[in-house]
Amino acid sequence: AQKITQTQPGMFVQEKEAVTLDCTYDTSDPSYGLFWYKQPSSGEMIFLIYQGSYDQQNATEGRYSLNFQKARKSANLVISASQLGDSAMYFCAMREGRFGNEKLTFGTGTRLTIIP
Amino acid sequence: DAGITQSPRHKVTETGTPVTLRCHQTENHRYMYWYRQDPGHGLRLIHYSYGVKDTDKGEVSDGYSVSRSKTEDFLLTLESATSSQTSVYFCAIALAGSYTDTQYFGPGTRLTVL
Repeated sequence: AQKITQTQPGMFVQEKEAVTLDCTYDTSDPSYGLFWYKQPSSGEMIFLIYQGSYDQQNATEGRYSLNFQKARKSANLVISASQLGDSAMYFCAMREGRFGNEKLTFGTGTRLTIIP
Repeated sequence: DAGITQSPRHKVTETGTPVTLRCHQTENHRYMYWYRQDPGHGLRLIHYSYGVKDTDKGEVSDGYSVSRSKTEDFLLTLESATSSQTSVYFCAIALAGSYTDTQYFGPGTRLTVL
């Protein structure tokens, strides 16, 4: 089974609108972290936001917020007031707390295009 | 800027030749990782290191080896490159191995094996 599922291969959003990128995850470990990365066309991976499994509040970083619904195992990224520079690939990733499990597990990504 | 550089940034090589990719960090982080990125797969872990001379395999380690003789350098070697190893390779660093710890990525190396 996929550990991280991103069901939207591509999205088109009008500039200045809010956008939600979906991410669901699968783990039996009570300790885990969820991460979102942005990959613009230039190719670098840019860390956006982190949510821990024990965090009581949704994480926020500027225009980015993470809608964390633990019971549904979802960790959707919300970008408020989208800008042209938000056009990029967005990856959701998870890191589990089991000893020796060092990796980030990535979803396949969502390509976001902001329309002027 | 997490102080990570990768070299080379682009490389074209032929099947059967050895290739070494270098990751260099200036932040003295203990943990370093090599991932590959392929269409439809996101990023997948190849190998990682949790200290000098301490390395372990990831989920797609076949055909790759790594070495870390200094804290700042983590080398990825393709002993005999194959076309299936054509990919973009990312190095990442982390301060600790905890699930709360963010990994920061280098700029990537685009490798083409003909």
